[in-house]
Amino acid sequence: DIQMTQSPSSLSASVGDRVTITCRASQSISSYLNWYQQKPGKAPKLLIYDASSLQSGVPSRFSGSGSGTDFTLNISSLQPEDFATYYCQQSHSTLRTFGQGTKVEVK
Amino acid sequence: EVQLVESGGGLVQPGGSLRLSCAASGFTFSTYWMHWVRQAPGKGLVWVSRINSDGTGTNYADSVKGRFTISRDNAKNTVYLQMNSLRVEDTAVYYCTKDGPKWSFDYWGQGTLVTVSS
Repeated sequence: DIQMTQSPSSLSASVGDRVTITCRASQSISSYLNWYQQKPGKAPKLLIYDASSLQSGVPSRFSGSGSGTDFTLNISSLQPEDFATYYCQQSHSTLRTFGQGTKVEVK
Repeated sequence: EVQLVESGGGLVQPGGSLRLSCAASGFTFSTYWMHWVRQAPGKGLVWVSRINSDGTGTNYADSVKGRFTISRDNAKNTVYLQMNSLRVEDTAVYYCTKDGPKWSFDYWGQGTLVTVSS
């Protein structure tokens, strides 16, 4: 199975900050990397697919980059509604796997 | 509007069985792979199983292989997860989700809670 490792596990930030979350795959997954946002008690929401493609309706302050094994999710200017947990997920393998999550908290 | 609605969760004793259902609407169900993803209380997302569009291909996470069975009824626009030999560690919210662009998961149900406890 392909293992996905996110860092950091949590971070504290303020409104307006630029936030960066990284995700590393245990083997090359080309650009088959997706990012999700989850708020407490809610289902996850797709933000970015194919490493850098913005899902319809997602604000442009979210962006993704990377290929192969190393990927990044950036939030250019953190908004109050962005405090949540973020997960990466690979779709290179039929056995899809998620990272362990990164919780973005209020500083 | 795409909708995925899970049902069938509840409290079950260790060793018991439960069948989850996910009713889909708002898209051509029979052309999409479907998946189940679970989340234990306070923990992260874990992919559980997938089924291809016509139901002839399935895969499972190692943790549920041999105990869980995914199936679908394209006439009813419904995907199922039969869970047998349930363990305490299967306690989680179970989400139904569909394949989206580049095999991402673009739509999710609201989740159904399965609690395995004596």
